[in-house]
Amino acid sequence: GAVVSQHPSWVICKSGTSVKIECRSLDFQATTMFWYRQFPKQSLMLMATSNEGSKATYEQGVEKDKFLINHASLTLSTLTVTSAHPEDSSFYICSAFSFLAGGEQFFGPGTRLTVL
Amino acid sequence: GESVGLHLPTLSVQEGDNSIINCAYSNSASDYFIWYKQESGKGPQFIIDIRSNMDKRQGQRVTVLLNKTVKHLSLQIAATQPGDSAVYFCAEKRYSGAGSYQLTFGKGTKLSVIP
Repeated sequence: GAVVSQHPSWVICKSGTSVKIECRSLDFQATTMFWYRQFPKQSLMLMATSNEGSKATYEQGVEKDKFLINHASLTLSTLTVTSAHPEDSSFYICSAFSFLAGGEQFFGPGTRLTVL
Repeated sequence: GESVGLHLPTLSVQEGDNSIINCAYSNSASDYFIWYKQESGKGPQFIIDIRSNMDKRQGQRVTVLLNKTVKHLSLQIAATQPGDSAVYFCAEKRYSGAGSYQLTFGKGTKLSVIP
């Protein structure tokens, strides 16, 4: 149980284009979803926290107009990287949380974004 | 600011030996600490957690020790196996006002198991 999926697992795009990453909780309803970014050989950095049906809360230094987060249902959150640039190339990981699923954050497998 | 960090960035261990991964923290108000394992190209996997009012907690082949006096956390892996090769992160768990909690991750230690 408590499986979280991400799609796509990897994506390569041209500079200036937008990329959408999906995060789904497959067997539970997630009241809260989190988005993290991880650069090579570095730790996970929290980007934003989103609750279903409300606006995401972004961490300091994260541009909300560049990283659009939509949490339209209890099983789906999307992260859209708008006008992507090479410096946005990173490993993006989501996690999903629900008290009913054990009260822990369950992590997705990550999405590798490469911007050319 | 307050942070969670690690002493050693890399650790090489002979298969069958015990591994010890260390973590220092500075936020004494943390409620829980969690150890995660991350294999290459994958998301973090929960290993074990410990509440701040505990000193030790054991799982299957893993033990976490918490020393609040010196704000130090360690993960011990018994009889290390090649499948244990990964990056290990400690994380501080802090409850937020929305009924959920946030995680602050340390820098990570790469464990390499030598067959």
